[in-house]
Amino acid sequence: EIVMTQSPAALSVSPGGRATLSCRASQSVSSNLAWYQQEPGQAPRLLIYGASTRATDIPARFSGSGSGTEFTLTISSLQAEDFALYYCQQYNNWPLTFGGGTKVEIE
Amino acid sequence: QVQLVESGGGVVQPGGSLRLSCVASGFTFSRYGMHWVRQAPGKGLEWVAYIRHDGGNNYYADSVKGRFTVSRDNSKSTLYLQMDSLRPEDTAVYYCAKKIGNEDLFDCWGQGTLVTVSS
Repeated sequence: EIVMTQSPAALSVSPGGRATLSCRASQSVSSNLAWYQQEPGQAPRLLIYGASTRATDIPARFSGSGSGTEFTLTISSLQAEDFALYYCQQYNNWPLTFGGGTKVEIE
Repeated sequence: QVQLVESGGGVVQPGGSLRLSCVASGFTFSRYGMHWVRQAPGKGLEWVAYIRHDGGNNYYADSVKGRFTVSRDNSKSTLYLQMDSLRPEDTAVYYCAKKIGNEDLFDCWGQGTLVTVSS
């Protein structure tokens, strides 16, 4: 099983600031990496797939990068609705696995 | 628009059974593989099971293999998860999720249904 490790577990950022979230895979997942956002009490929402492709209707302030084992999600100019939990997921191998999540909080 | 609506959650005793349903609308259900993903209270996401668009090629997480069975009825645009021999650690919100194209990631999720396994 591929283990996905996200860091940091929590991140405090001021509105309008920039957040950089990391996700590391225990072995290469090529570019088969997705990012999801989850607000409290809600289902997750797909943000990024293929490591860097924004999903439908996702604003350009969300960007993804990386390949192999190291990935980054960057949120530029944080808006109020961006303070949430973020998960990465690999879909290169079965079983599909998620990272433990990063909570982006208001500073 | 694409919509997934789960039902069937509830409280069940350890060792009991429960069947979850997920009704799909807004897309051609029979063309897409479907997944179940769960989230224990206050915890992260855990993939549970997958079924191919035609009902073949099922995959399961090791934690549920042999106890859970995923199935679908394309004539009813409905996905199922039969959960047997339930354990307290199966307590979670269960989401059904639609596969995107040929890739096993999830572009649409239901609102989730809560399963509580407790005596």
